[in-house]
Amino acid sequence: EPEVTQTPSHQVTQMGQEVILRCVPISNHLYFYWYRQILGQKVEFLVSFYNNEISEKSEIFDDQFSVERPDGSNFTLKIRSTKLEDSAMYFCASRVEFMNTEAFFGQGTRLTVV
Amino acid sequence: AQSVTQPDIHITVSEGASLELRCNYSYGATPYLFWYVQSPGQGLQLLLKYFSGDTLVQGIKGFEAEFKRSQSSFNLRKPSVHWSDAAEYFCAVGSSNDYKLSFGAGTTVTVRA
Repeated sequence: EPEVTQTPSHQVTQMGQEVILRCVPISNHLYFYWYRQILGQKVEFLVSFYNNEISEKSEIFDDQFSVERPDGSNFTLKIRSTKLEDSAMYFCASRVEFMNTEAFFGQGTRLTVV
Repeated sequence: AQSVTQPDIHITVSEGASLELRCNYSYGATPYLFWYVQSPGQGLQLLLKYFSGDTLVQGIKGFEAEFKRSQSSFNLRKPSVHWSDAAEYFCAVGSSNDYKLSFGAGTTVTVRA
């Protein structure tokens, strides 16, 4: 069964460093998302991406964050200068189309900023 | 803005007993409704979904949920829980004119023998 794949599963980084979280969405999907879940809190929407551009972003998704689909298969989330409060589980998700479809989530990348 | 409330933070249930998890949503348009399950250290797995039509939907692992528009609810049920159902359960709402999902805070289910 097709699945969304995220790498790495766990990343530890020092505060102020740049990190790139990688995702391979399901191959025929057109809509891509990043969500995050701070430990003990709810899953929060960060950004959606369609047709090679951001379609919507949350207040969390500030200038420190960026997304890219560099090669037609990968979908990346970059955090330019990590802060302690960026520590969270980051989930990538994809949908085949917009109407009447569900999002499929990856296993997540646990980011720890020290 | 859309929002989801899961009133129960933690539920403990005996193996073989029935389970019901509550979900209430707030949304102006017709919602898309979902239940996801997250086992420890795992990602989010879709249990079931509602877009339109029959308000009682069946999902995987023997779960079902009922959409009640008048109560703005989408409660999840299972007639007989198994130890493997111990996990965290998230209700989420989306719509046909909104890209994103809004999640509830989750309900942790503990299954005792």
